[in-house]
Amino acid sequence: EAGVAQSPRYKIIEKRQSVAFWCNPISGHATLYWYQQILGQGPKLLIQFQNNGVVDDSQLPKDRFSAERLKGVDSTLKIQPAKLEDSAVYLCASSPDRVAETQYFGPGTRLLVL
Amino acid sequence: AQSVTQPDIHITVSEGASLELRCNYSYGATPYLFWYVQSPGQGLQLLLKYFSGDTLVQGIKGFEAEFKRSQSSFNLRKPSVHWSDAAEYFCAVGDILTGGGNKLTFGTGTQLKVEL
Repeated sequence: EAGVAQSPRYKIIEKRQSVAFWCNPISGHATLYWYQQILGQGPKLLIQFQNNGVVDDSQLPKDRFSAERLKGVDSTLKIQPAKLEDSAVYLCASSPDRVAETQYFGPGTRLLVL
Repeated sequence: AQSVTQPDIHITVSEGASLELRCNYSYGATPYLFWYVQSPGQGLQLLLKYFSGDTLVQGIKGFEAEFKRSQSSFNLRKPSVHWSDAAEYFCAVGDILTGGGNKLTFGTGTQLKVEL
């Protein structure tokens, strides 16, 4: 079974530029999550999708971050414009639609904002 | 709001020695608890989880964890550490969302170093 795929793996941009990350979850997983992991910290949930609907985006900085999951499969997370403090690893995870089900994580995209 | 505390930022153990990583949580109801491991440049891999039932949970790679409600703890243990266990370990508490899935709140992680 293929795991969660993410691209790109690394990205370097200058502040005020825009950037987009792509995630392809495990086939059949209804729930998709985007996390931000700043160096030295644990992952923090940014947004959670159930199929193509948003379940929780309470910690998403909506003035600059946006995410979509068209057709309930792939997802894209965008930052526009980027700030220095957005430097982090962005992790995508997916899980089946069951209570307390395991979340499976992708390898992440490491973003550096200069 | 739920929270997780991992009091040890760094731990160093000798190969073959026993290991215990501490995790304390704050949650209003019966928690769903998880331990994940993250190797450099990798995503997180689930070691084990507690949902209900037996409070001693067995996981992969020889790890186990014990849920202690009275102490709000979910410590991770391994009787004999291997050099390949060097990684960062995250404890997390899950909150079931009415819209589906569960929301994980992670601790800040414990970096494990194994001396040969």
